Amino acid sequence: NAGVTQTPKFQVLKTGQSMTLQCAQDMNHNSMYWYRQDPGMGLRLIYYSASEGTTDKGEVPNGYNVSRLNKREFSLRLESAAPSQTSVYFCASSERPGQGGNTIYFGEGSWLTVV
Amino acid sequence: AQSVTQLGSHVSVSEGALVLLRCNYSSSVPPYLFWYVQYPNQGLQLLLKYTSAATLVKGINGFEAEFKKSETSFHLTKPSAHMSDAAEYFCAVSEVNTGFQKLVFGTGTRLLVSP
Repeated sequence: NAGVTQTPKFQVLKTGQSMTLQCAQDMNHNSMYWYRQDPGMGLRLIYYSASEGTTDKGEVPNGYNVSRLNKREFSLRLESAAPSQTSVYFCASSERPGQGGNTIYFGEGSWLTVV
Repeated sequence: AQSVTQLGSHVSVSEGALVLLRCNYSSSVPPYLFWYVQYPNQGLQLLLKYTSAATLVKGINGFEAEFKKSETSFHLTKPSAHMSDAAEYFCAVSEVNTGFQKLVFGTGTRLLVSP
């Protein structure tokens, strides 16, 4: 019972390099999210996908792009990494996008360092 | 827009003592509220959630939280702390906008438990 799986778990990038964080969920959820976590700031929403085929910007989308490849997979791309993007990234999913009481399930996180 | 405030970035207790982690919310509509726990180098795990069914919500690992509308609070408590409770705890409010749910997180409280 994997839940939400993210890869890679750890990555070091040089400034200007690009990379893609992969996320897959096996719970048949409709909605998927990407958050970043920074010390003292909690989690902030980068992008989300309400359902397959749709994506929208969250609170901090600059410098990122996303792709909802299918119902299971939602990837986050950094086109030209900057030190300010050093963070822990979490993918998450939930079943029913329109209901406020849904539980949102999180992956284990991806630790990204940009030098 | 909804928001949450967690008072105290760090809380220290002795093993066996009462745990009290504070969360106040701001919402113009009846809120859905969540507490998540994050153990070191892991993802977020749901502790409990309030969805208006009952004001006292019981969660996993002996934690509970009480929704108080008059105080706009949703504080997390546990009667007796264990060493294994040492973690970071996040309060979150569910924001439903244009029919889509997003979680807005507080900045987190790190719980330290001493022997």
